[in-house]
Amino acid sequence: QKEVEQDPGPLSVPEGAIVSLNCTYSNSAFQYFMWYRQYSRKGPELLMYTYSSGNKEDGRFTAQVDKSSKYISLFIRDSQPSDSATYLCAMRVLGGGGNKLTFGTGTQLKVEL
Amino acid sequence: DTEVTQTPKHLVMGMTNKKSLKCEQHMGHRAMYWYKQKAKKPPELMFVYSYEKLSINESVPSRFSPECPNSSLLNLHLHALQPEDSALYLCASSQEPPTGSNEKLFFGSGTQLSVL
Repeated sequence: QKEVEQDPGPLSVPEGAIVSLNCTYSNSAFQYFMWYRQYSRKGPELLMYTYSSGNKEDGRFTAQVDKSSKYISLFIRDSQPSDSATYLCAMRVLGGGGNKLTFGTGTQLKVEL
Repeated sequence: DTEVTQTPKHLVMGMTNKKSLKCEQHMGHRAMYWYKQKAKKPPELMFVYSYEKLSINESVPSRFSPECPNSSLLNLHLHALQPEDSALYLCASSQEPPTGSNEKLFFGSGTQLSVL
């Protein structure tokens, strides 16, 4: 079993839809949770960064962390064609760990007109 | 300025060539990283430099040789690569060293490397 599981998709939605992207994990020591967006042949771009459980909102993006269920989500409201990209979840332990992020495999999202 | 700049954007090299990838950041970040990413896979950590010193080497083959000339620059020297080394090579930086709590990674756009 992988430490972080993420459905690779592809996920196709119409413009304006609410998108839900999810990751599950098995390592209860993970405390920092991130979502990166990666356009084709570009580097990942940090979208959301949360510590421990709870919700965080930034514009059209909401990140949720449920540590009891070992489950994190990214919601995108009013999705746009420009949101079409691969979304990677990433997480790491508190302190130490050499900043070795554990990434999910990424979910490919396509927002269609 | 939140930019990590990588050059070149594309590189094609033969198995006997020697080449270098370059990375630069001017955010005052104290940690810099090299990642390797194959198509449809997540990035894999290769090396970490903290305060210009190599702090992590993820058992990377010696044909990859990192160098950190100063706090803003990071190089990856390539020699005698194999076709399976073809990938997107990503540089990243973070404000704090890896053991810190504020270690948001900022990635460059990467160098797409093809080894023939």
